[in-house]
Amino acid sequence: QKEVEQDPGPLSVPEGAIVSLNCTYSNSAFQYFMWYRQYSRKGPELLMYTYSSGNKEDGRFTAQVDKSSKYISLFIRDSQPSDSATYLCAMGVHSNYQLIWGAGTKLIIKP
Amino acid sequence: DTAVSQTPKYLVTQMGNDKSIKCEQNLGHDTMYWYKQDSKKFLKIMFSYNNKELIINETVPNRFSPKSPDKAHLNLHINSLELGDSAVYFCASRRTGEGEKLFFGSGTQLSVL
Repeated sequence: QKEVEQDPGPLSVPEGAIVSLNCTYSNSAFQYFMWYRQYSRKGPELLMYTYSSGNKEDGRFTAQVDKSSKYISLFIRDSQPSDSATYLCAMGVHSNYQLIWGAGTKLIIKP
Repeated sequence: DTAVSQTPKYLVTQMGNDKSIKCEQNLGHDTMYWYKQDSKKFLKIMFSYNNKELIINETVPNRFSPKSPDKAHLNLHINSLELGDSAVYFCASRRTGEGEKLFFGSGTQLSVL
């Protein structure tokens, strides 16, 4: 079993819909959680960073962490075609230099 | 004003050749990484350097050799290239103590024929 599980998709939704992207993990020692967005032929860019259970909001994006269930989510409101990309979750422990990555979910927003 | 820059962006070469990929960051970060991303988009860490010292050395064929001449540069040299080396290679960097936020370069698409 992988440490971090993420459905690779693709997930296709109409413009304006609320998108929910998820990752589950097995290591209860993880202390921080991130979402990266990767456009085609580009490097991943950090979208959201959080280290506690609960919600964190930034514009149309909300990151949610449930440590008791070992489950993290990224919600995108009012989705736009420009949100079409691969979304990767990543997590780790502060004392370790290494991030553990999900496989990435390909998201397609149809106009 | 590119933060993490890699060269070349594309690299097409024959099996058995030796090639290098260069990475430079101008963010003042002290830790740099090489990642390999396969066709299914899975990111696999290869190496990491902190202040020019190798701190992560994953199970990677010894045909791959990283070199960090200073904190701002981390190069990757690959000997005797094989078909399975075809992938996108990303350089990334971060500053110790500022969370674990990685900044990535735009990648080098390596195609071995």
